[in-house]
Amino acid sequence: GAGVSQSPSNKVTEKGKDVELRCDPISGHTALYWYRQSLGQGLEFLIYFQGNSAPDKSGLPSDRFSAERTGGSVSTLTIQRTQQEDSAVYLCASSFRDSNTEAFFGQGTRLTVV
Amino acid sequence: RKEVEQDPGPFNVPEGATVAFNCTYSNSASQSFFWYRQDCRKEPKLLMSVYSSGNEDGRFTAQLNRASQYISLLIRDSKLSDSATYLCVVNIGGNQFYFGTGTSLTVIP
Repeated sequence: GAGVSQSPSNKVTEKGKDVELRCDPISGHTALYWYRQSLGQGLEFLIYFQGNSAPDKSGLPSDRFSAERTGGSVSTLTIQRTQQEDSAVYLCASSFRDSNTEAFFGQGTRLTVV
Repeated sequence: RKEVEQDPGPFNVPEGATVAFNCTYSNSASQSFFWYRQDCRKEPKLLMSVYSSGNEDGRFTAQLNRASQYISLLIRDSKLSDSATYLCVVNIGGNQFYFGTGTSLTVIP
């Protein structure tokens, strides 16, 4: 596709349910990132993939959060047993391997846990 | 210590004013630098990369000072449409991007 695509764009879920957020990066981009942004706050790094491997998972807030990437393309971020504090916009970005190039963002998934 | 630090503002300036934002980074091995712009309820988008020699794009000028480890963004002749949050971004290599928390700018008619 032309840009980074995320789905769903909005998700409302009940506390305790599991959710899956999907990111489809720009074709050819080997690096993929997940960030979280709460209302009025900055971007919080969650996890970074290079190809299918995740060299840096340091930002995942708890073991309820996990992510995978298959085929060096689509990534899924899974949140188990959601809590109200998980409510935020989850942003995915992708870039070429070259660290001098920019990261392109998807429009995000707005997650609301009620 | 955060990798990237910015003054969150808010900056409220009149149309036509010149405004400058600064950002400091902690890792001297940082390799590339960017300014992103984020509009309300939208995703961040690249405004400009920041090069060692400094670079200009119309009304926007970016500077990098490696010795002092800071990056600046200067906006001249501010427009209403410049109102947004400006994010300082540093890449430490290995494709790890670090974002500042952003500086909020409102340009007032």
